[in-house]
Amino acid sequence: ETGVTQTPRHLVMGMTNKKSLKCEQHLGHNAMYWYKQSAKKPLELMFVYSLEERVENNSVPSRFSPECPNSSHLFLHLHTLQPEDSALYLCASSQAGVGEEWNSPLHFGNGTRLTVT
Amino acid sequence: DQQVKQNSPSLSVQEGRISILNCDYTNSMFDYFLWYKKYPAEGPTFLISISSIKDKNEDGRFTVFLNKSAKHLSLHIVPSQPGDSAVYFCAAMHEAGTALIFGKGTTLSVSS
Repeated sequence: ETGVTQTPRHLVMGMTNKKSLKCEQHLGHNAMYWYKQSAKKPLELMFVYSLEERVENNSVPSRFSPECPNSSHLFLHLHTLQPEDSALYLCASSQAGVGEEWNSPLHFGNGTRLTVT
Repeated sequence: DQQVKQNSPSLSVQEGRISILNCDYTNSMFDYFLWYKKYPAEGPTFLISISSIKDKNEDGRFTVFLNKSAKHLSLHIVPSQPGDSAVYFCAAMHEAGTALIFGKGTTLSVSS
C-alpha cells in the first residue's frame, strides 16, 4: 500500500464505548497529525507528532487520547465520547524539516467517519 | 477567530471557463500557503503551494497568486473541467508553527 491509510472508514459507537482509530503512513515521513472535520467548519488540528514525540495538543478534550508508537503509525483512542464528537477524523503525515526544508505539504488519509449515538 | 478565511462557500463555473477561488488570512507570520482539493469520501489532496517570497506559482492548469500586502491569495483554474468539481481548501503555515491552518473550503461545481 502507498500513502496514508486509515481504518476503519466508518465507525458508529455509543457514548460508553471505547474504540481506536488507526493510521499508517508508507511515505517515510517523520511527522503525523490528527485533524477533525465537522460540518461547515474548517479542518481543526487536534494533535501533532514529530519524530514520535507529541509537539502539539490543540486543547483537545481528554476523551481523545493519541498514541504514536513509531513514525509510521498513529492511533486515536476514544472513550466516553459525546454526540457532538461525530465528525470526519483525518490523519496526515509530512516530512517536517528544518532550515530551508521546513515546509512541506501534508498528505492525508481518507478519514474515518465517526458517529456517536 | 479564523486565521484563514474562504468567504465564498460555493462557486459554479461552466466547462472551459476560468475558476477563481479566493482566500484571505489574518496572521502576518504565515509564509507558506497551500491549496487542497477534496472529493466526497476521500481525504484532501495537495494541489499547489506558494512561498511568501513569490507572488505567483503555476502548475499546468492551476495558478496560485499571492498578494502579501492584502493578505490575500487566489487559485485560478483554466480551463475548468467537470472533474475539477470538488471542495477546495486554502491552508497556511509559518516556520514557527507546527501544522497547517485551514479555511472552511469552497465547493466548486463545473458544469459541462
